[in-house]
Amino acid sequence: GEDVEQSLFLSVREGDSSVINCTYTDSSSTYLYWYKQEPGAGLQLLTYIFSNMDMKQDQRLTVLLNKKDKHLSLRIADTQTGDSAIYFCAESIMDSSYKLIFGSGTRLLVRP
Amino acid sequence: EAQVTQNPRYLITVTGKKLTVTCSQNMNHEYMSWYRQDPGLGLRQIYYSMNVEVTDKGDVPEGYKVSRKEKRNFPLILESPSPNQTSLYFCASSPIPAGVGGYTFGSGTRLTVV
Repeated sequence: GEDVEQSLFLSVREGDSSVINCTYTDSSSTYLYWYKQEPGAGLQLLTYIFSNMDMKQDQRLTVLLNKKDKHLSLRIADTQTGDSAIYFCAESIMDSSYKLIFGSGTRLLVRP
Repeated sequence: EAQVTQNPRYLITVTGKKLTVTCSQNMNHEYMSWYRQDPGLGLRQIYYSMNVEVTDKGDVPEGYKVSRKEKRNFPLILESPSPNQTSLYFCASSPIPAGVGGYTFGSGTRLTVV
């Protein structure tokens, strides 16, 4: 069935790089997304990657996609305390529902 | 400003008292959806709608109803709320398919049923 898995928690020191990992199951996904949720707020789209790409870089964010292993990662360079949040990966399901399937979220804590 | 607006942001109610959470989007999106977010479970889809008068169940539809009489509005109705519906609810919208923009989310409604 459809499932997206993420580790629940990651703690890094300010200035270090953070890597958040995600595995997904639907090989027909066309887009994969990373969302950020700050405390008390909704989900904000951070970045996306199209399924025929291996990597996408956007300022401090690097997304890597390994289609063979169905593995997606988000690297945040020079992590700041403002990056502390919950990060969700999501895959688009290309059936009649057109829905996005979300992982359970990874809580990133950035220590000063 | 392009946005999804949910109301109310916070709601405390008693078991069995019918309530409606409103959702409105100003982007002319065809697709609208409701999710609930619970600790450790991520976001689970309750209902979705592909267009006016077209709605369908998501993964956890029990205890909820929706309607899509107008393209911009997609209210979530709890006819007889129960404590297990205490959760954080999000409305989202997108074009079909979502494409590069993904979903646009509302700010959320935190519901407590006592």
